[in-house]
Amino acid sequence: AQSVTQPDIHITVSEGASLELRCNYSYGATPYLFWYVQSPGQGLQLLLKYFSGDTLVQGIKGFEAEFKRSQSSFNLRKPSVHWSDAAEYFCAVGAGSGGSNYKLTFGKGTLLTVNP
Amino acid sequence: EAGVAQSPRYKIIEKRQSVAFWCNPISGHATLYWYQQILGQGPKLLIQFQNNGVVDDSQLPKDRFSAERLKGVDSTLKIQPAKLEDSAVYLCASSLRGPNTQYFGPGTRLTVL
Repeated sequence: AQSVTQPDIHITVSEGASLELRCNYSYGATPYLFWYVQSPGQGLQLLLKYFSGDTLVQGIKGFEAEFKRSQSSFNLRKPSVHWSDAAEYFCAVGAGSGGSNYKLTFGKGTLLTVNP
Repeated sequence: EAGVAQSPRYKIIEKRQSVAFWCNPISGHATLYWYQQILGQGPKLLIQFQNNGVVDDSQLPKDRFSAERLKGVDSTLKIQPAKLEDSAVYLCASSLRGPNTQYFGPGTRLTVL
């Protein structure tokens, strides 16, 4: 069964600083990988996804993530954080055999605080 | 394009009462998911539908939780009777069939007193 580990429960950065959120996954085959963001009281919004091809993927709001198969990682990065980026970030791995039983397994999330 | 709709947004009930949540997925999305998100944790899949059939309900506490998607469109998740530990946000998501992006609704925050 697949699993996702987000080692950092809470990260605080200053506005304008760079950001890297870590994500490690466990899955026997090539995974589909996602980063979602959740603002307080809101549902999850997709930031970016990796299905295949280029291992560096670009997402919305200036985020990017790099798939590293050798490290089983899919870390999320942003060169300059804005106060509006304060939220909880979830990494997820998608897996399943065949088309109908595909499902996501989420990490526990990383809460991002942005200081002015 | 309209997103995934859920109602109600908030619900407070006493333990042992029953409650129901409604979800309307994005038009054309065959797959519908219900997740439970306990405070401080990531979403956990409760049940997955493909059209009106159940694909995976292995994590659904079937003694108290039930869900249906009778016409393959909208869905209802019910809890009866509720326990204190059911306090959580219940998220609905939908996607096209297979390994596609899941789109989430705003969720229903349930508080059981």
